[in-house]
Amino acid sequence: EILLTQSPATLSLSPGERATLSCRASQSVSSYLAWYQQKPGQAPRLLIYDASNRATGIPARFSGRGSGTDFTLTISSLEPEDFAVYYCQQRNNWPLTFGGGTKVEIK
Amino acid sequence: EVQLVESGGGLVQPGGSLRLSCAVSGFTFSSYWMHWVRQAPGKGLVWVSRINSDGSSTSYADSVKGRFTISRDNAKNTLYLQMNSLRAEDTAVYYCARDLGVPVAKNWFDPWGQGTLVTVSS
Repeated sequence: EILLTQSPATLSLSPGERATLSCRASQSVSSYLAWYQQKPGQAPRLLIYDASNRATGIPARFSGRGSGTDFTLTISSLEPEDFAVYYCQQRNNWPLTFGGGTKVEIK
Repeated sequence: EVQLVESGGGLVQPGGSLRLSCAVSGFTFSSYWMHWVRQAPGKGLVWVSRINSDGSSTSYADSVKGRFTISRDNAKNTLYLQMNSLRAEDTAVYYCARDLGVPVAKNWFDPWGQGTLVTVSS
């Protein structure tokens, strides 16, 4: 099973700042990595798939990059609605696995 | 508008059974692979199961294999998860999710339902 490690666990930032979230895989997942956003009491929402493709309706301030074992989700300028928990997920190997999440909180 | 609405959650005793449903609308259900993903209270996301578009192929996480059965009724636009021999560690919010890909599965989840809470406790 591929282990996805997200860091940091918590990121404290102010609106307008840049957020950089990391996801590291225990073995290569090629470019088969996605990012999801989850707000309290809500279902997750797909942001990025195949490492760098934005899902439908996702603002351009969200971007993803990486391949192999190291991936990054960047939010170029935090909006108030971006404060949430972010999860990465891989589909290169079975079973499908998620990272433990990074909480982006208001500083 | 694409909608996925789960139901069937509740309180069940250890060893008991429960069947979850996910009613969908706004898209051609019979064309898509579908998934169940769960989230224990305060914890992260865990993939549970998936089913192909016509129901002929299924996959399960090891933690639920042999106890849970995923199925679908394309005529009723509904996805199911039959959960037997439930354990305390199955307590979670269960989400149904559509696969991003069609007709070939991509194993990305988009969109998700709002979830239904299953609590296994005596």
